[in-house]
Order: sequence, then C-alpha cells, then structure tokens
Amino acid sequence: DIQMTQSPSSLSASVGDRVTITCQASQDISKYLNWYQQKPGKAPKLLIYDASNLETGVPSRFSGSGSGTDFTFTISSLQPEDIATYYCQQNYNLWTFGHGTKVEIK
Amino acid sequence: EVQLLESGGGLVQPGGSLRLSCAASGFTFSSYSMTWVRQAPGKGLEWVSAISGGAGVPYYADYVKGRFTISRDNSKNTLNLQMNSLRADDTAVYYCAREISYSSGWYRPFGKWGQGTLVTVSS
Repeated sequence: DIQMTQSPSSLSASVGDRVTITCQASQDISKYLNWYQQKPGKAPKLLIYDASNLETGVPSRFSGSGSGTDFTFTISSLQPEDIATYYCQQNYNLWTFGHGTKVEIK
Repeated sequence: EVQLLESGGGLVQPGGSLRLSCAASGFTFSSYSMTWVRQAPGKGLEWVSAISGGAGVPYYADYVKGRFTISRDNSKNTLNLQMNSLRADDTAVYYCAREISYSSGWYRPFGKWGQGTLVTVSS
C-alpha cells in the first residue's frame, strides 16, 4: 500500500501570507497526486489534480508542484475564506489520503 | 448540475448491517467510476470502495474487504454500499463521490461529492 505523509499537521498564518504544505509518498507515484480542501461540516472539494492542474473555478492563488515522491501545495496569498483542512491524495494505485493540514488565521 | 445524494445512514449495533445509497443526477451515470469515502468524527478522509463505470469492476480498501460490497444500478442512477459485520471503528460520515473524466490516471480523482450520510455503530 502507498502511504502519504503530509506536513505540517496544522499551521497558523496571517492574511496575505504565502502558505506551503508538503506531501511525501512512500513510493514513486509519478504525477498522480491531488489536493482537496475541506471546510468544517462540508464535503471535500478538489483543488488540484495531477500534481499541478488547477480544477475549474479554483482561484489561481492555489497551486501545486512536484513529481515522484515529493509534492508541494501553495496558497500564494492566504485569504480568510481559505480556512480549512487540506488533504493530499495519491491516485497512482487505488487512492490514499494524507492525514490533513489544518490551516488557521493568525 | 451534478448532484449526489446519499441516504441510508443511521445507528446500528456492532455486527449489524446497513445499506447506503447514493442517487446521482445531472450526468451520464453509467460512464463514470464512483466511490465511497468516509470520515470518522474529528478524523481525516479514508477511501473505502470504488466501482468502475461500464463493467462495474469493484475495488476495496483492505479494512472493508469481505465485509462491504459496492454495487451500482445504472438504470436507476444509483450507487450502493452494503455494509455487513459493522464495527465501532466503521462509525463515520460516508461520502459518495464521482471521478473526474479529464485526469490522465487509471484511478482518477474525485471531482464531485455528496453531502454525506452518518453511520454510527454502537450498542
């Protein structure tokens, strides 16, 4: 099974800050890495697929990069509405989620 | 507009059974792989099971294999999850989700989600 290690588990940042979350796969997953946003009490929302492709309608301040085992998710300028938990997910072999990163406003 | 509406959740005793359903609308249901993802209270997301479009090939996470059965009725645009031998650690909100068709992978990301249905396993 492919394991996903996501860090940090939580972070606090100011509005306008650049926020970075990392995700490491236990084996090479090529580009098959996705990022989801989940707000409290809501279903997850796909933001980035295939490591770096922005889902339709998602603001351009969200971006993703990486390949192989190491991936990065970035919010270029944190907004109040970005308060949520973010999950990475591999879809190279079935699907596995990371444990999530809770993003809060400082 | 794509809509996914889960139903069937509730309180069940350990060892019991429950059948979840997901009613889909707004797209050609038979053409898409569908999946179930769960989230235990206060915990992260966990993939449970998926079924391909067309032939309906099922996939299961190890921790539900042999206990859960996924199925689909393309004539009724409905996805089902039969859950048997339920345990306390199966307590979670269960989400139905649809793949996106424009990802290049064999196993695709989940682009549309329902609102979830809560399953509580407790005596």
